[in-house]
Amino acid sequence: GEEVAQTPKHLVRGEGQKAKLYCAPIKGHSYVFWYQQVLKNEFKFLISFQNENVFDETGMPKERFSAKCLPNSPCSLEIQATKLEDSAVYFCASSQSRGGEEYFGPGTRLTVT
Amino acid sequence: AQSVTQLGSHVSVSEGALVLLRCNYSSSVPPYLFWYVQYPNQGLQLLLKYTSAATLVKGINGFEAEFKKSETSFHLTKPSAHMSDAAEYFCAVSESNTGNQFYFGTGTSLTVIP
Repeated sequence: GEEVAQTPKHLVRGEGQKAKLYCAPIKGHSYVFWYQQVLKNEFKFLISFQNENVFDETGMPKERFSAKCLPNSPCSLEIQATKLEDSAVYFCASSQSRGGEEYFGPGTRLTVT
Repeated sequence: AQSVTQLGSHVSVSEGALVLLRCNYSSSVPPYLFWYVQYPNQGLQLLLKYTSAATLVKGINGFEAEFKKSETSFHLTKPSAHMSDAAEYFCAVSESNTGNQFYFGTGTSLTVIP
């Protein structure tokens, strides 16, 4: 497709529950990125993939966060044992080439109660 | 290391007035620079990008930006503000030769006064 798709649009989880977010990049794009927007004006990089391989995971809180991009499947971001501070909008982006513009999905709003 | 600084977290302009949103960057390699706009409860939409071609870049909705290497700046301008321009604007930089992630500025909220 020509747009990055993210599901679900909204997700509500009780503290300690698991949350799983999905992202379908634009067809033909080799790079996938996940960002967390906690406050309206702060984007925190989490992880990037080149095809199914992790490219950069320096932003990932590794103890609870994990991500995958498997062939022929949407990419996923999973949070085990969610905490209140995980409440944020999670954006997925894809890019066709190195350094190229990233096309962003509409985001998934995660609310942890 | 790369970073982006957006001076002015809030900018207000009158409808029809010039819009100027400032962005300065630091990068150890030739940068690619981007401006994105975010409307409330929506994702990011690309306005324009600089990728080492022309230093004056024209984007959508009448916006343009000029890459000035000597000033390490990439300020966004629009000659005449429209009410529909009210949104959050983000400047971002990435390294030109890698697939690394974007580094975003902290955003500038643009208010257009009728």
